[in-house]
Amino acid sequence: NAGVTQTPKFQVLKTGQSMTLQCAQDMNHNSMYWYRQDPGMGLRLIYYSASEGTTDKGEVPNGYNVSRLNKREFSLRLESAAPSQTSVYFCASSPLGQGYGYTFGSGTRLTVV
Amino acid sequence: AQKITQTQPGMFVQEKEAVTLDCTYDTSDQSYGLFWYKQPSSGEMIFLIYQGSYDEQNATEGRYSLNFQKARKSANLVISASQLGDSAMYFCAMREGYSGYSTLTFGKGTMLLVSP
Repeated sequence: NAGVTQTPKFQVLKTGQSMTLQCAQDMNHNSMYWYRQDPGMGLRLIYYSASEGTTDKGEVPNGYNVSRLNKREFSLRLESAAPSQTSVYFCASSPLGQGYGYTFGSGTRLTVV
Repeated sequence: AQKITQTQPGMFVQEKEAVTLDCTYDTSDQSYGLFWYKQPSSGEMIFLIYQGSYDEQNATEGRYSLNFQKARKSANLVISASQLGDSAMYFCAMREGYSGYSTLTFGKGTMLLVSP
């Protein structure tokens, strides 16, 4: 099925460990995004890539890095995980243009202990 | 200031009744888009409905309609004939500006519980 695929679905890390969340879309969308969801906070933008070759910070970028590997793939890296990064992470993609919503992946539940 | 405000943390409704979920937004752009997403307990984000700032008619998608009041900067979601499967978190979101590089800003959500 066409859509956005995120891996892994669940992950437990120890403080200080690093990991990369993977995201791939097969809808030929130009733009890709990483959000985090915390209780009572809604979804907050971490980083986005409006088009292949560009990345920009969102509202909460500290502690994260991203790579737009190609048009399909956009990864999120935690270099040194902290308990404050315990969250549910969503990747999304969309065509360029204000009139388009996002297609979301199924999310990654990350716990940092 | 928050760009998207959802003032109802939780709402209760009986099956088959209509319910309105409130959303107000803040923007100085003339061109913007408003979206509603549903997040059931399984966690996925499901797109429900879209309203463009220049659309004169309120958007409708099946049992969902968006009550768009531009002067009041409100974009309330109306669910008619609620079903048990409508129990979920609902997020209002906005995408501003003419640029194709704008991003979605989300409200904090409203939890809707539908009772039999």
